[in-house]
Amino acid sequence: AQSVTQPDIHITVSEGASLELRCNYSYGATPYLFWYVQSPGQGLQLLLKYFSGDTLVQGIKGFEAEFKRSQSSFNLRKPSVHWSDAAEYFCAVGGGNTGGFKTIFGAGTRLFVKA
Amino acid sequence: SQTIHQWPATLVQPVGSPLSLECTVEGTSNPNLYWYRQAAGRGLQLLFYSVGIGQISSEVPQNLSASRPQDRQFILSSKKLLLSDSGFYLCAWSVGQPGIEKLFFGSGTQLSVL
Repeated sequence: AQSVTQPDIHITVSEGASLELRCNYSYGATPYLFWYVQSPGQGLQLLLKYFSGDTLVQGIKGFEAEFKRSQSSFNLRKPSVHWSDAAEYFCAVGGGNTGGFKTIFGAGTRLFVKA
Repeated sequence: SQTIHQWPATLVQPVGSPLSLECTVEGTSNPNLYWYRQAAGRGLQLLFYSVGIGQISSEVPQNLSASRPQDRQFILSSKKLLLSDSGFYLCAWSVGQPGIEKLFFGSGTQLSVL
């Protein structure tokens, strides 16, 4: 069955510092991979998505993610964090042939940004 | 443009009372519809999804049920709420093949069962 693991429950970075949020997935076929962001008390917004092609994917708000098949990872990065990036980030995996055509989310990583 | 409406935003209910949360989508036809639950400190758990009117797939056996009486309406219900039903409930939609297209989320309902 498909699954997503986000090993870090929360991360604190200084404003202006670089960020990397980890995500590992388990999926029997070629996965569709997503990163979503959730502000407190709100729904989720898509940051970026990967299915095929270039393994480095650019998203909104200056985020990027790199797909590494050999490591079953899809880590999210940002070179310089802004205070407004403080939120919860969810990695997700979806697909068609296996897993029942649905999107499965990780437990999330809460990002704190200190001045 | 497409919009998703989810209400109420906040709900406090006693144990054993019924529940009805409603979600409607505007500006698209035949969307895939989803109910997720987010418990405090945990990720999103897929509860139900629907690819068409009257078609409901349940992911987790539990105290809840879902219905899709109209193309763009998705309802989450319970006959008797449990304390464990507390959480943040999110409705979402997508188009095309489920699981491979981006999800658009509503703003959520915070349910507290006391």
